Amino acid sequence: GAVVSQHPSRVICKSGTSVKIECRSLDFQATTMFWYRQFPKQSLMLMATSNEGSKATYEQGVEKDKFLINHASLTLSTLTVTSAHPEDSSFYICSASPAGRSNEKLFFGSGTQLSVL
Amino acid sequence: GDSVTQMEGPVTLSEEAFLTINCTYTATGYPSLFWYVQYPGEGLQLLLKATKADDKGSNKGFEATYRKETTSFHLEKGSVQVSDSAVYFCALSAIYNFNKFYFGSGTKLNVKP
Repeated sequence: GAVVSQHPSRVICKSGTSVKIECRSLDFQATTMFWYRQFPKQSLMLMATSNEGSKATYEQGVEKDKFLINHASLTLSTLTVTSAHPEDSSFYICSASPAGRSNEKLFFGSGTQLSVL
Repeated sequence: GDSVTQMEGPVTLSEEAFLTINCTYTATGYPSLFWYVQYPGEGLQLLLKATKADDKGSNKGFEATYRKETTSFHLEKGSVQVSDSAVYFCALSAIYNFNKFYFGSGTKLNVKP
């Protein structure tokens, strides 16, 4: 079946540094990818919708200058957490849907656990 | 706004026990409802879904019925196995944007032999 690869699975960084997370669709093209974050014992919250070749659409309350999303190709979207702070520590996960498929064909990466010291 | 609430875990059961994980939702209209499962080190995988009221989704012995009267989509399995140990997420897909998902907080299931 379709696979979405997310890298890295875990990252620890110092406060003030930037961290890039990659999300790749390995065997299909994805015009749209989605980024979520989850705090401990809370829901997986949609952060933004990443559109290939255009600007990402951010959910209310998500800082676009803080969480930079680049969807440069049909198989790769990146999320960069800029000037990370301890409150950005969270579990980030991406998803992608093959172009033209219904929402049942939504595939998820394995997630990235970010810890900011 | 749209949201999903599911029971907190972890849930610990013995093999062959009956499983219920509760899920309720708040949404505009009648969204599609899903259960996703995440095994250790892997991404979320679709377990089952229901797209309209009274639909029953089923897969691998798991079942869930879309109940609009109680706005619920509880997950059940008659006899769990050790291999069912995972985190289960209830989710809904907004009717105004079918790719926009709202997830519950996840319920970790531990099945002991």
